[in-house]
Amino acid sequence: AQRVTQPEKLLSVFKGAPVELKCNYSYSGSPELFWYVQYSRQRLQLLLRHISRESIKGFTADLNKGETSFHLKKPFAQEEDSAMYYCALHTGGFKTIFGAGTRLFVKA
Amino acid sequence: DVKVTQSSRYLVKRTGEKVFLECVQDMDHENMFWYRQDPGLGLRLIYFSYDVKMKEKGDIPEGYSVSREKKERFSLILESASTNQTSMYLCASSLVITEAFFGQGTRLTVV
Repeated sequence: AQRVTQPEKLLSVFKGAPVELKCNYSYSGSPELFWYVQYSRQRLQLLLRHISRESIKGFTADLNKGETSFHLKKPFAQEEDSAMYYCALHTGGFKTIFGAGTRLFVKA
Repeated sequence: DVKVTQSSRYLVKRTGEKVFLECVQDMDHENMFWYRQDPGLGLRLIYFSYDVKMKEKGDIPEGYSVSREKKERFSLILESASTNQTSMYLCASSLVITEAFFGQGTRLTVV
């Protein structure tokens, strides 16, 4: 079955601490994976995608096919990183599957 | 900048009412989507459209229908609203399937 799992509903870290938001997927084909972010009172927006291998706002995510994971990482969390983060898997055609989301709270 | 605009931020409707949620995009995107967003469940696809008058069911189409008469507009219709349809509804559009631009959301409460 095609599935995206974000095991943590809430992640709370102190400012300046490293942060890792976990994402695991289940998909038999070649996955395309994304992270979306929703800041308070803002619309959901694309943060990054695995094929571009870029760093956005200090965040990176590496696709690990062996572990079927696409964890989002940032070495030093900032208060403005507090938001809801969704991992998403594109499975072909028009289908994108979203995880349940992780709320990141960065404490001062 | 892509603009996806949903007609209402908040709606309160009564059980049994027919409800229309409107979405307009200004970037000539072929693809448009309706999702509902619920805590602990993430985003679930209700319907999508890849062209005018074309539509496909998503994962949870029951109780919903859609209309796309013009390229820029995609409407979600709740034929007979029920309390379990209380949710946040997100519209999105895309040129390339894999990057969707979202509207600000409509929080619908059915009483």
